[in-house]
Amino acid sequence: DVKVTQSSRYLVKRTGEKVFLECVQDMDHENMFWYRQDPGLGLRLIYFSYDVKMKEKGDIPEGYSVSREKKERFSLILESASTNQTSMYLCASRTTGRGNNQPQHFGDGTRLSIL
Amino acid sequence: RKEVEQDPGPFNVPEGATVAFNCTYSNSASQSFFWYRQDCRKEPKLLMSVYSSGNEDGRFTAQLNRASQYISLLIRDSKLSDSATYLCVVKTGGSQGNLIFGKGTKLSVKP
Repeated sequence: DVKVTQSSRYLVKRTGEKVFLECVQDMDHENMFWYRQDPGLGLRLIYFSYDVKMKEKGDIPEGYSVSREKKERFSLILESASTNQTSMYLCASRTTGRGNNQPQHFGDGTRLSIL
Repeated sequence: RKEVEQDPGPFNVPEGATVAFNCTYSNSASQSFFWYRQDCRKEPKLLMSVYSSGNEDGRFTAQLNRASQYISLLIRDSKLSDSATYLCVVKTGGSQGNLIFGKGTKLSVKP
């Protein structure tokens, strides 16, 4: 079974802090993703990465950055946290092998509150 | 037009009922289609892929109509444990295309 592990289930930080959310997958997947999920807005893609040291902006990258120094780890960084970044953050990974129908596997999510 | 559109529900049905969810997508170049299930305060999990010929997995049947850009999920003999939010998901592009998630349809199965 694919395992995607996010470092924290719940996190509380203050406005202006630099926040790191970590994600690790154990299946040697090439692609990794960071989403946020908010009521009424569904899942929105923040950033994704096709390979080590590669990153691409998703639909809502403003206020975020990412780091992929190793294949198994994809970090999301809130440069200066703001209250509108309070959300559920979900990491996912997927292999590019064996055709187009490869599903994404999600971590348990991090519920982040910015006070 | 939203990229992936679903009826948000909630669908409240009794145990044993048959329930159908519909989903439309706007990008005709979409190549892969999925249904995910998300339980309350949990992460989304793949329920099933959707193939052009339609596919069935136990009580669940998925259909795809490329001409109408329409995907459906049918649940027969619904169980209490089927209560969840069902997300319609579409992938454009090749092997590195991204997934576009619908906002989900909430299902509540009552005894």
